[in-house]
Amino acid sequence: SQQGEEDPQALSIQEGENATMNCSYKTSINNLQWYRQNSGRGLVHLILIRSNEREKHSGRLRVTLDTSKKSSSLLITASRAADTASYFCATGSYSGGGADGLTFGKGTHLIIQP
Amino acid sequence: NAGVTQTPKFQVLKTGQSMTLQCAQDMNHEYMSWYRQDPGMGLRLIHYSVGAGITDQGEVPNGYNVSRSTTEDFPLRLLSAAPSQTSVYFCASRGGFHYGYTFGSGTRLTVV
Repeated sequence: SQQGEEDPQALSIQEGENATMNCSYKTSINNLQWYRQNSGRGLVHLILIRSNEREKHSGRLRVTLDTSKKSSSLLITASRAADTASYFCATGSYSGGGADGLTFGKGTHLIIQP
Repeated sequence: NAGVTQTPKFQVLKTGQSMTLQCAQDMNHEYMSWYRQDPGMGLRLIHYSVGAGITDQGEVPNGYNVSRSTTEDFPLRLLSAAPSQTSVYFCASRGGFHYGYTFGSGTRLTVV
């Protein structure tokens, strides 16, 4: 079963622009994570934000979490061609989700045009 | 190199054959999981382990077995391969609930 749903499903922007992806979820969570997957590769963990945090930064990445709206956003600033990938949010819940408490969305496919 | 190692990278099976996908991590992580990834379906959890000797079922466990005799290894067994098991399989490990997963590079399995 899917909890997190990313929006949009696909996004195409020019190199140098900022990219914003959103994730919505239905039930309460304890943390939310974002992952990147390049074509044909495994997922790479980008950032984890706990339910009591509102914003986290890591390099060109900024993640926000609004538990009242049950939503999160991932902002990639000054995009580069190498950022072309699929991005997944995953919600962590002690009481729900998969057996390991983590449920992945279906992803946003980001294309950076040179 | 520290990380999660999966073997093989590619495999073709005939319907009814069995095989084991290997997964090993050298980060002393307690949590390990197996996922399958299919187009349009995202990642679906097959089986999960929170430590040696402890395993649990995920969302799609039918047709698969796991065991965890050591912290490092978490093999996935396909008991009798079916075309519906054609997929990309990922093994992942993490140090605890509030940690991100480290994923292996995947095994692309085709069942004919």
